[in-house]
Amino acid sequence: EVQLVESGGGLVQPGRSLRLSCEASGFKFDDYAMNWVRQAPGKGLEWVAGISKSSGNRGYPESLKGRFTISRDNAKNTLYLQMSSLRLEDTALYYCAREGFFRDFDHWGRGTLVTVSS
Amino acid sequence: SYELTQPPSVSVSPGQRASIPCSGDKLGDKFVAWYQQKPGQSPVLVIYQDTKRPSGIPERFSGSNSGNTATLTISGTQAMDEADYFCQAWDSSTASPSWGFGGGTKLTVL
Repeated sequence: EVQLVESGGGLVQPGRSLRLSCEASGFKFDDYAMNWVRQAPGKGLEWVAGISKSSGNRGYPESLKGRFTISRDNAKNTLYLQMSSLRLEDTALYYCAREGFFRDFDHWGRGTLVTVSS
Repeated sequence: SYELTQPPSVSVSPGQRASIPCSGDKLGDKFVAWYQQKPGQSPVLVIYQDTKRPSGIPERFSGSNSGNTATLTISGTQAMDEADYFCQAWDSSTASPSWGFGGGTKLTVL
């Protein structure tokens, strides 16, 4: 059974940094690209970052470039999201998602909540 | 990010057909996926590659995509189908390829 378990969320002040983790199990981690997607309270889904199987390609929406960095450790079956210069509008539930073969996200974790507040 | 537009809400009577549209520039040239999200739960993939259903998704869910509009159709809608639905597409036409999500449609079964 595919499992994705996010961790690392919490309450953080504006301007500070935070690193999220996503531990994967139940599949061969290095066979799949991975992504982060966030959802602000009561809002829709927003793609945050993506990384290829071997970390050779990474992508971000223009609005987040320079503040967020995605990485992975295939030996540990773990995906990361380093977030810096956090803003109030970064408050959201952050999901880890496995990328399927047709540019879809076929499995999602339960999410980890990040709250940016002074 | 690539912009996709969905109506905020759609209502349907039990047993009837529900159609949820998703529009975007040249959307028919891209693969579209659809996700179902119930309150307090993570999104679940219900349609990928425009028309395909993952294992475990009921046959009443179907998809189409042509021109600038993709549509998720639920035939014989059941009360358990009440949820938010999001469309998604990958846009590789710019210097920074990205995924776009629609704003979501709340399906009410009444």
